[in-house]
Amino acid sequence: KAGVTQTPRYLIKTRGQQVTLSCSPISGHRSVSWYQQTPGQGLQFLFEYFSETQRNKGNFPGRFSGRQFSNSRSEMNVSTLELGDSALYLCASSRRGGTGKKGTEAFFGQGTRLTVV
Amino acid sequence: AQKVTQAQTEISVVEKEDVTLDCVYETRDTTYYLFWYKQPPSGELVFLIRRNSFDEQNEISGRYSWNFQKSTSSFNFTITASQVVDSAVYFCALSEGNTGKLIFGQGTTLQVKP
Repeated sequence: KAGVTQTPRYLIKTRGQQVTLSCSPISGHRSVSWYQQTPGQGLQFLFEYFSETQRNKGNFPGRFSGRQFSNSRSEMNVSTLELGDSALYLCASSRRGGTGKKGTEAFFGQGTRLTVV
Repeated sequence: AQKVTQAQTEISVVEKEDVTLDCVYETRDTTYYLFWYKQPPSGELVFLIRRNSFDEQNEISGRYSWNFQKSTSSFNFTITASQVVDSAVYFCALSEGNTGKLIFGQGTTLQVKP
């Protein structure tokens, strides 16, 4: 069974540009969450999608957005890139969505390393 | 507010030593889940264990064991007879009950030297 696939693995963009990252979840998983990992802030939750609907959103500016398609694949977009957006962006998928009360563990992809110059 | 604290930033041990990674959490939820993930240099987070707030039974999986104590809000992880392949960053995480999002600690970098 294929794991979570994130593309591209590495990306270099210029300040002010926009970027789109892609995540293909494990087959059968309907929930996709996105996290940003930086040395200073650690791992921070961006948002979660379930059945094409955004269920939860972290504390990030509106420049960060996402969507989920009917096949559960998800994309996240960052507009007007800033140097501080340089990070490892991790996507996680889970079967029914939510790691809380439903207790379904999240499986992570290898991430997309974004560098903004 | 929910919070996870991993006080140990870096730990260095020699192969075959036992090592314990500490995790302390804060939450007002009565129902919550705790997790440990391993992040090797490749970057992906590898799921190790999930524990719910109603199950304080300790768990052992091979060389790995976990000690969950609600009284001290701790969920510590022990690796017995460490190996070089255990070298990685380890994260403890707490699920936020209603949203399902994971709140991570800052991570502990474990270096196992041969």
